[in-house]
Amino acid sequence: GENVEQHPSTLSVQEGDSAVIKCTYSDSASNYFPWYKQELGKGPQLIIDIRSNVGEKKDQRIAVTLNKTAKHFSLHITETQPEDSAVYFCAATLNTGNQFYFGTGTSLTVIP
Amino acid sequence: DAGVIQSPRHEVTEMGQEVTLRCKPISGHNSLFWYRQTMMRGLELLIYFNNNVPIDDSGMPEDRFSAKMPNASFSTLKIQPSEPRDSAVYFCASSSNLGTGGKTQYFGPGTRLLVL
Repeated sequence: GENVEQHPSTLSVQEGDSAVIKCTYSDSASNYFPWYKQELGKGPQLIIDIRSNVGEKKDQRIAVTLNKTAKHFSLHITETQPEDSAVYFCAATLNTGNQFYFGTGTSLTVIP
Repeated sequence: DAGVIQSPRHEVTEMGQEVTLRCKPISGHNSLFWYRQTMMRGLELLIYFNNNVPIDDSGMPEDRFSAKMPNASFSTLKIQPSEPRDSAVYFCASSSNLGTGGKTQYFGPGTRLLVL
């Protein structure tokens, strides 16, 4: 099956700086890569996603890039704010199935 | 739009008791997933249903766990008997199978279970 690795496990940045979280996957058949943000005491919420026919996608301060050849994708958050502090999860899913394979999460702290 | 609804939000029980967690997926979604989240193991998929039929229950830890989906708008996850190591946050998520490619999953707020 698919194996998703996520780095780093913790990340601290100063407010206004950028944050980058990286994930790698093992199965070249994976074609959908969502990113979730989980705030304390809440369920994971989808913040951005990318499909394998696209190399980059942006939504305001958040962007995701995908390198299919290297089998890795990254979340970029620019101009970080304290409310960006949360745990972020990446995931990958195969074209033929519904199951998501999640990374182990990155705890992001934005220091005011 | 109502998102995924889970109940109860918090559950405290004693070892050996039966625990039933409930989930109402987003209307129109036909896939439903149960996850368990702990600090040690992260997010684990326990079981998922397509069109009310269990597709993959390989993540269910043992026979004490069971899940049902009697109709498209309701699912339960039952633990009987419960043990302290079952303490975790249990999430339900749903998605729609319409279209091609990967299907976005939408998570509920979770049930925080503590087994004493």
